[in-house]
Amino acid sequence: GAVVSQHPSWVICKSGTSVKIECRSLDFQATTMFWYRQFPKQSLMLMATSNEGSKATYEQGVEKDKFLINHASLTLSTLTVTSAHPEDSSFYICSARDVAVSYNEQFFGPGTRLTVL
Amino acid sequence: DAKTTQPPSMDCAEGRAANLPCNHSTISGNEYVYWYRQIHSQGPQYIIHGLKNNETNEMASLIITEDRKSSTLILPHATLRDTAVYYCIVRSLRSNTGNQFYFGTGTSLTVIP
Repeated sequence: GAVVSQHPSWVICKSGTSVKIECRSLDFQATTMFWYRQFPKQSLMLMATSNEGSKATYEQGVEKDKFLINHASLTLSTLTVTSAHPEDSSFYICSARDVAVSYNEQFFGPGTRLTVL
Repeated sequence: DAKTTQPPSMDCAEGRAANLPCNHSTISGNEYVYWYRQIHSQGPQYIIHGLKNNETNEMASLIITEDRKSSTLILPHATLRDTAVYYCIVRSLRSNTGNQFYFGTGTSLTVIP
């Protein structure tokens, strides 16, 4: 149980276009999901906390107009990178909490590798 | 949020125990210590967590010092598949959402045949 999927697993896009990444909890309901970004050979950096039915909470320094987060259902959160540029190329990872199992633990998706040309 | 300090890298011989230390000297009384690992280009995998007592599961053991300022993750019989970056995280609890995880730099463990 407690499986989180991401789609796509990798994407290549042209500079200036927008890219949407989906994060799904497959076998549980996630009231809260988290989005991280990871550059090569660096640690994960928390970008935002996504709450079902409400606005996401962004970490300091993360542009909310550039990284649009929607958490419209208990099993799906989406991250849209708007007007992507090469510096947005990164590994994007989501995680979700299954409060029915554990209020504390987060389950991570496999990640999405974004390359902006 | 309590910060963690880990050695950047460690080696361990296959079949031997891997002991990964973590310092979290500013941890507060209600903060848990979590361990995750990340195999290259994958999402992090949960290993274990604890508050103040030692914990053990099928993957590892977690030893937390009495003053809670440091902990050690023990992989009892390391295999090549345990080669990964190991993150020690102290959970931050905030108002309505809570449970944000702030990852440090982690320890890159290499298991050597």
